[in-house]
Amino acid sequence: EDKVVQSPLSLVVHEGDTVTLNCSYEVTNFRSLLWYKQEKKAPTFLFMLTSSGIEKKSGRLSSILDKKELFSILNITATQTGDSAVYLCAVGLQGGSEKLVFGKGTKLTVNP
Amino acid sequence: SQTIHQWPATLVQPVGSPLSLECTVEGTSNPNLYWYRQAAGRGLQLLFYSVGIGQISSEVPQNLSASRPQDRQFILSSKKLLLSDSGFYLCAWSVGSHRVHFGDGTRLSIL
Repeated sequence: EDKVVQSPLSLVVHEGDTVTLNCSYEVTNFRSLLWYKQEKKAPTFLFMLTSSGIEKKSGRLSSILDKKELFSILNITATQTGDSAVYLCAVGLQGGSEKLVFGKGTKLTVNP
Repeated sequence: SQTIHQWPATLVQPVGSPLSLECTVEGTSNPNLYWYRQAAGRGLQLLFYSVGIGQISSEVPQNLSASRPQDRQFILSSKKLLLSDSGFYLCAWSVGSHRVHFGDGTRLSIL
C-alpha cells in the first residue's frame, strides 16, 4: 500500500524561529512530491519536486527531495504568524490519472 | 485563468438523506477531476477521479458515487448518508501534471 508519513504532526514555535517539516514515503511508482499549505479551506500549492538534491525556493520557504532515502523536507525560515497552517505532503504516482497520495499533514502554529 | 467552483460551502444533513455536491472548473479543457475527503486527524483521501466525460474511477468502497456529465462538471452523490460520511470534501482538477488545484471545499456534517 502506498504510504506518506509526515512528522511532526504538530509544532508550535515563536515568530522568527526556523522550522523543518519532514515527509517520508513508500510508494510503488513515484513520479513527484508536492507540498501544499492549507489554512482554512483549499490547500494551496507550494512546491513540486521531481529530482533529488535540487532545492526549490520561494521566499522564506524551501524544499528538497532525496529519492534514494525516500524523503523530503520543507524549511521555513524567520517564521511569521501568517505561516500558521497545516502543511501537506503528497506523492504523485506514475500513470495518466495524476493521482496524489497525501500524508496526514503537519499543523504549524507560529506565536507572536 | 482557471478557476474551480464548489458548493455548498457547508451542509448539515440527517442520516439517511441524499447528497449532491457539485463542482465546476472554468478556463481549461479536458481536465482530470477528483473528489477528496479530509476527515479529522486523517490526510486527504482520494475518493474518485475522472479522466473524461462519463469515466469515473473509485478509489475506496463506500456509500458515495460520482458522475461527470460534462467536461468540466463533477458531482458527488449519495442515496443515503451515513454518520461516517461526515468530513470536508474537496473537489480538484489537474491538467498534464501532478500539480492539483483544489476548490474551497464543502464541510459536511451528518446528524
